[in-house]
Amino acid sequence: KQEVTQIPAALSVPEGENLVLNCSFTDSAIYNLQWFRQDPGKGLTSLLLIQSSQREQTSGRLNASLDKSSGRSTLYIAASQPGDSATYLCAVSLYYGGATNKLIFGTGTLLAVQP
Amino acid sequence: GAVVSQHPSRVICKSGTSVKIECRSLDFQATTMFWYRQFPKQSLMLMATSNEGSKATYEQGVEKDKFLINHASLTLSTLTVTSAHPEDSSFYICSASSGSLREQYFGPGTRLTVT
Repeated sequence: KQEVTQIPAALSVPEGENLVLNCSFTDSAIYNLQWFRQDPGKGLTSLLLIQSSQREQTSGRLNASLDKSSGRSTLYIAASQPGDSATYLCAVSLYYGGATNKLIFGTGTLLAVQP
Repeated sequence: GAVVSQHPSRVICKSGTSVKIECRSLDFQATTMFWYRQFPKQSLMLMATSNEGSKATYEQGVEKDKFLINHASLTLSTLTVTSAHPEDSSFYICSASSGSLREQYFGPGTRLTVT
């Protein structure tokens, strides 16, 4: 059974600091991995999607890496801002019934960037 | 593009009543829709997967007679919580995909409170 874990569970940093969020998964047979952002009481915003054949993806100040063999992904946020404060979720996509992808979500990291 | 809406955003109902939540893909045809539940300070848990015109596939532990899912068109899926109880109070989020193994796009969520 696929399990997805995120460390740390919570993180507080001063504005401007670079930071790394970690995600690990137990079964390397994934289709892709996604990082999401969730603001309190809101839905999900997709940040980055890495296909299983890729090693990293970048979007602005965000960079996500994937090491499928070791079951790990990291989300790097450069020059953090108070507006980055949110819960960050990673999710791995599995083949499901042979024709549909199913997302298994991690436990989340609650990030607070202090001004 | 790839916008998914949910209605209502919040609903309060009395114990024993039924509640219907709608999920719509606004600018694409969603052949597959997913329903998730998120309890406070927990991650998203997949409840069921529905393909247009077919019966939904429920995850282990999810009662199909309690959580009725209908996916009658390529742009609309509904989740009906029947005979709701306070323990059904949760944040329900849907996602939609335009095809097999395609990226899922998430709705903004519905907060259900059962009194």
